[in-house]
Amino acid sequence: DIQMTQSPSSLSASVGDRVTITCRASQSISSYLNWYQQKPGKAPKLLIYAASRLQSGVPSGFSGSGSGTDFILTISSLHPEDFATYYCQQSYSAPRTFGQGTKVEIK
Amino acid sequence: EVQLVESGGGLVQPGGSLRLSCAASGFTFSSYWMHWVRQAPGKGLVWVSRIHSDGSSTTYADSVKGRFTISRDNAKNTLYLQMNSLRAEDTAVYYCTRENWGSGSSFDYWGQGTLVTVSA
Repeated sequence: DIQMTQSPSSLSASVGDRVTITCRASQSISSYLNWYQQKPGKAPKLLIYAASRLQSGVPSGFSGSGSGTDFILTISSLHPEDFATYYCQQSYSAPRTFGQGTKVEIK
Repeated sequence: EVQLVESGGGLVQPGGSLRLSCAASGFTFSSYWMHWVRQAPGKGLVWVSRIHSDGSSTTYADSVKGRFTISRDNAKNTLYLQMNSLRAEDTAVYYCTRENWGSGSSFDYWGQGTLVTVSA
């Protein structure tokens, strides 16, 4: 199975801050990397697919980069509604493993 | 509008069984692979199982293999998860989700989830 490791596990930031979250795969997954946002009590929401492609309707302040084993999610300027938990997921092979999540909290 | 609506969750004793359903609408259900993903209270997302668009192929996480069975009825636009020999560690919110090959095989739509609690 492909292991996905996110860092950090949590971070505190202020509105307007630039935030980066990293995700590392245990083997190369090409660009089969997706990012999801989840708010408490809600289902996850797809933000980025294929490492860098913005899902329809997602604000342009979100961006993704990387290929192979190392990936980054960037939020260019945090808005109040961006405080949530973010998960990476590989769609290269089954089982479709997720990272452990990164909780973005208000400083 | 794409909608996925899960049902069937509840409280069940260890060793018991439960069948979850996911009613799909707003898209051609028979054209998509479907998955179940679960989330234990306060924990992260864990992939559980997937099924081919025509039901011909299924895959399971090791933790549920031999106990859970995924199936679908394309005539009824419904996905199922039969869960047998339930354990306390199966307690979670279960989400059904659609895999979109056109979007890097990402999970582009999710249901609201249904809570399964395994406890005596």
